[in-house]
Amino acid sequence: DTGVSQDPRHKITKRGQNVTFRCDPISEHNRLYWYRQTLGQGPEFLTYFQNEAQLEKSRLLSDRFSAERPKGSFSTLEIQRTEQGDSAMYLCASGSEGIDEAFFGQGTRLTVV
Amino acid sequence: GEDVEQSLFLSVREGDSSVINCTYTDSSSTYLYWYKQEPGAGLQLLTYIFSNMDMKQDQRLTVLLNKKDKHLSLRIADTQTGDSAIYFCALRRVSGGYNKLIFGAGTRLAVHP
Repeated sequence: DTGVSQDPRHKITKRGQNVTFRCDPISEHNRLYWYRQTLGQGPEFLTYFQNEAQLEKSRLLSDRFSAERPKGSFSTLEIQRTEQGDSAMYLCASGSEGIDEAFFGQGTRLTVV
Repeated sequence: GEDVEQSLFLSVREGDSSVINCTYTDSSSTYLYWYKQEPGAGLQLLTYIFSNMDMKQDQRLTVLLNKKDKHLSLRIADTQTGDSAIYFCALRRVSGGYNKLIFGAGTRLAVHP
């Protein structure tokens, strides 16, 4: 296992289209986080899963956003009817109880044109 | 975020020491982290310090924590061109039995010959 994997690395989409990103956490990590990073800013928390349960959603996660982790392993983040303001780097991280750190993936950079 | 503040830019000469500063408001944070982000990449954990510690040293990195002033710093000794990146200060905030990271906006470190 080489770490947290995200796919795709880059996505360009037209405004109004739907997009879906995937995150594969480190094996056996039961905690999975999604963050969003806009240009010139630090990452901001979006949502958190413990196993398959989504335990918290940030106010940043509007109704157009939905995240799933159906089997407690990989996760998907879908954005419907994309807007230009959705352009950002979407970062996934995983961790586990008893581990002090979260391990981040390389991110998916979304550009909405 | 407004809970964590960093200066935006630091320029140092190769071989000198770099000191990146961070101030925060939440005194309940148990862990404080420093992450590095290179262009187009995800976040790499550099080091972290537990809130009951004042200092932690790890090779060229020294973290100092002043809990009274809510001030965290990262010192990089013998700074190299490969250290050029954005450095993020982050706090671990415990909420509802799990934890999430609150990031600053990042300090861009430029190392010149």
